Amino acid sequence: DAGVIQSPRHEVTEMGQEVTLRCKPISGHNSLFWYRQTMMRGLELLIYFNNNVPIDDSGMPEDRFSAKMPNASFSTLKIQPSEPRDSAVYFCASSARDRGEKNQPQHFGDGTRLSIL
Amino acid sequence: AQKVTQAQTEISVVEKEDVTLDCVYETRDTTYYLFWYKQPPSGELVFLIRRNSFDEQNEISGRYSWNFQKSTSSFNFTITASQVVDSAVYFCALSEETSYDKVIFGPGTSLSVIP
Repeated sequence: DAGVIQSPRHEVTEMGQEVTLRCKPISGHNSLFWYRQTMMRGLELLIYFNNNVPIDDSGMPEDRFSAKMPNASFSTLKIQPSEPRDSAVYFCASSARDRGEKNQPQHFGDGTRLSIL
Repeated sequence: AQKVTQAQTEISVVEKEDVTLDCVYETRDTTYYLFWYKQPPSGELVFLIRRNSFDEQNEISGRYSWNFQKSTSSFNFTITASQVVDSAVYFCALSEETSYDKVIFGPGTSLSVIP
C-alpha cells in the first residue's frame, strides 16, 4: 500500500523565492494535515483539511503561507516569499475519519527538508 | 485547552535495560484519544499506538507496553530489554473527539540506547 507521498524530499532555495510543497495522501483518507518541525518549536500543526475543506488554519504562521487541497488526492503548501526562518522539515499526514471511529491515527509522509538561504 | 507534557527531554540507557517514557496530558473532554509516535534518526514519523479514553487496559506489543491511567492523566510507554534500534525521539499525542481529528503533540523524548 502506498503511504503518504511528499515532494520534493529536499528543497534549497534563496530567500524571497516561492516554495511549493506537495502531498498525496493515502487513498481513501479524508483528513489531511500539514506540520512543521524545528528544533526550537517541535512539531507544529499548520493547517488541516477534512474532505478537502480547510478546518483549522490557526497554525499558519503568517500570510506568506497558504495551503490548498483541490481534490482528495493532492494538497500543496506554498510559501511566498520565503525567508530563512522558514527553514524546517515540513510533514504531511493523512487519516481516515469515519462515522464508526473518530480520531484515527495519522500516517505521515517522509517530509520535505526545506532550507532557505 | 488540550496539552501534552513529556517532561523527559533526553534519556540514555544501556542496551537490555528497561526504560519508561512519561506522558501527561490535559483535556476537558470526556472522550479523547491518545497516541504514541516514533521518529527514528532517519526522520519519518511512525505510528505506534492509539488509545481511547474509555479503554484503560494496559497494552503490550512485544517489548513495548503502555500504561494508561486516567486518575493521573498519564499514558506512559515502557520498552523492555531496550535495543539500539529503539533509539529515536518518541512523541505522545492527544486528540479530543470534538477537535475534528486535530492532534496535539508533546515535545518528544529523545531516547538513546547505548550498546
